[in-house]
Amino acid sequence: DAKTTQPPSMDCAEGRAANLPCNHSTISGNEYVYWYRQIHSQGPQYIIHGLKNNETNEMASLIITEDRKSSTLILPHATLRDTAVYYCIVAGAGTGNQFYFGTGTSLTVIP
Amino acid sequence: SQTIHQWPATLVQPVGSPLSLECTVEGTSNPNLYWYRQAAGRGLQLLFYSVGIGQISSEVPQNLSASRPQDRQFILSSKKLLLSDSGFYLCAWRRQYNEQFFGPGTRLTVL
Repeated sequence: DAKTTQPPSMDCAEGRAANLPCNHSTISGNEYVYWYRQIHSQGPQYIIHGLKNNETNEMASLIITEDRKSSTLILPHATLRDTAVYYCIVAGAGTGNQFYFGTGTSLTVIP
Repeated sequence: SQTIHQWPATLVQPVGSPLSLECTVEGTSNPNLYWYRQAAGRGLQLLFYSVGIGQISSEVPQNLSASRPQDRQFILSSKKLLLSDSGFYLCAWRRQYNEQFFGPGTRLTVL
C-alpha cells in the first residue's frame, strides 16, 4: 500500500511556481522519496528523488523536511505541458523494495 | 541508453479469450521487472515483480499470471479474460539504487 498522502488536485498559473506537497510520516530511515508524473494515456515519467537532502535537476526541485515526514516538489516555472497527475512514492533503494503508487495530485496549469 | 518496449499499444478482446502482453528492456542487464495495472481514473496497482529469470512474485490474487523467460523479457498472461481485467497495463524496470522506468503501456479493453 502507498505510504504517502497527497492533495487530490491543484491549480497553478502558467509561469508561476507549482508547489506540490506530500506527507510520508511513516517513512523509514533507508527509504527514498520519489516523484513521478503521468500525462494522460502515457506511462509515468520519473522526475526526481532524494533521501534527506534537497535535490534539484533540470525538471524540478525536491525539498524534504528535516524530520523527513513530508516533502514538496517544486516546478519553478510551470507550463501547460506540466499538466499531469503527480505521484509521490517512498521506497527503499534496494531492488527488493517495491514502488506503491497512491492516487497522486492532479495538477492543472492554467493559461 | 536503456529503453523499454511494450506491445501491443492497444488491444480489444472478448470476455473469456486469452491474453499475452509482452515487455522487453534494452541496454541493461539483470533488471527488476514490474507489471502494473491502472483502471480508468485510478492509481497504479502493482501486479507482479521479478528479480530474475523464472522468479515471479505476485502482489494481488487475480486472473492474471506473469512469466520471465529471458533476462530482459516479461510477459503478462491470462487464460480467460474477465471484464474487470480492462485497464492500462504498464511494464517497468529498475536497477538497484535507481529509479523505476516505465514503458508506454498497453490499453486493454475487454468486451
